[in-house]
Amino acid sequence: DIVMTQSPDSLAVSLGERVTISCKSSQSVLYSSNNKNFVAWYQQKPGQPPKLLIYWASTRESGVPDRFSGSGSGTDFTLTISSLQAEDVAIYYCQQYYTLVTFGQGTKLEIK
Amino acid sequence: QVQLVQSGTEVKKPGASVKVSCKASGYPFSSYGISWVRQAPGQGLEWMGWINTYNGNANYAQRLQGRVTITIDTSTNTAYLELKDLRSDDTAVYYCARGFPSGRGVYFDYWGQGILVTVSS
Repeated sequence: DIVMTQSPDSLAVSLGERVTISCKSSQSVLYSSNNKNFVAWYQQKPGQPPKLLIYWASTRESGVPDRFSGSGSGTDFTLTISSLQAEDVAIYYCQQYYTLVTFGQGTKLEIK
Repeated sequence: QVQLVQSGTEVKKPGASVKVSCKASGYPFSSYGISWVRQAPGQGLEWMGWINTYNGNANYAQRLQGRVTITIDTSTNTAYLELKDLRSDDTAVYYCARGFPSGRGVYFDYWGQGILVTVSS
């Protein structure tokens, strides 16, 4: 199985500041046939199902604010929130879909 | 609009089985697979398996092989998850999710509301 490891496990950031969450895969999830990285990012708020933010490592889902962006390739990926808003408090998960599905362990984001 | 509506809360004893449902609407059912993902209290997301709603073929997470079965009823656009030989660590919220096909695995663009399954003697 491909293991997805996120860092940090939790972080506290001031409103308006930039947030960076890292996700590393145990093997490359870049598919040479289409040059795409099979990584998605989700946001989960308490009592709610996860919400898709990013797919193909960097494509923002429709309706997701443009302060959310994804980057990376191969085995190293990043979710960035350019300016933290109060409503962004949540747990964030990365997911690979290169071989079946595995999720990272999650990163809890709080306001400092 | 796309909706995945799941059945209600379940309470089961250890060793029993549970079967929960996920009714899809608002899109062509056979065009997108359905996965089941569970989340134990205070824990992360665990993918359990996926079914191709076009041909009924399913793939399961290795650690659950033999205990989990995912099926569909195309006449009612409903997917089912059955988990056998329940243990206390199967206590979790169980989500169904629509899998957007990628040519390899799937990512999930719509999710059900979740079903709490509690396993307790």
